[in-house]
Amino acid sequence: QSILTQPPSASGTPGQRVTISCSGSSSNLGSNTANWYQQLPGTAPKLLIYSNNQRPSGVPDRFSGSKSGASASLAISGLQSEDEADYYCAAWDDSLSGVVFGGGTKLTVL
Amino acid sequence: QVQLQESGPGLVKPSETLSLDCFVSGYSIRSGYHWGWIRQPPGKGLEWIGYIHHTGSTSHNASLKSRVTISVDTSKNQFSLKLSSVTAADTAVYYCARYGATFDLWGQGTMVTVSS
Repeated sequence: QSILTQPPSASGTPGQRVTISCSGSSSNLGSNTANWYQQLPGTAPKLLIYSNNQRPSGVPDRFSGSKSGASASLAISGLQSEDEADYYCAAWDDSLSGVVFGGGTKLTVL
Repeated sequence: QVQLQESGPGLVKPSETLSLDCFVSGYSIRSGYHWGWIRQPPGKGLEWIGYIHHTGSTSHNASLKSRVTISVDTSKNQFSLKLSSVTAADTAVYYCARYGATFDLWGQGTMVTVSS
């Protein structure tokens, strides 16, 4: 049972826009920023979004993040086949004094 | 460019201690950041294990209780993880990563299996 709650799966067709939600509490997303990681099959996770909505250099602007209260969302527009991956949200948790991850969402491009 | 590389035994016996190193190239650990460990059991999600600052201050996942030790060797530009009294539940891919309010750089990961 993960501290941050994500849907286990999501899907879309090429060109579509999909969103992945991440729900937390006042001790994590409610008071700290959200980060998102993309894990392509068989590879290490890669930072996708940090500080709620910032993209590291090299991440396409098709990927965007937002946060409201204790929930965060990752949006992917213009879906491409290479976006098929697992996506994880994460945040610092003040009560646990540590980093917490969501359970991950497996994105399938139909 | 900055790279992280994990190394260590791929097989550990139950009740023994898992030991992994993470060598950092392209960046001096002394320059800043925290340096952390994350694991991923087969087919499951990510779990934060802990991290260390180059000054030696550490923080770790309370769920792992006192089994975790993270240390840093600035002379070798590497940091290490020790996890004691391992069980099959500790079987996972172990990643090292650089942390500065987010894990911005990751190693490729190393699979550790706990089995007799």
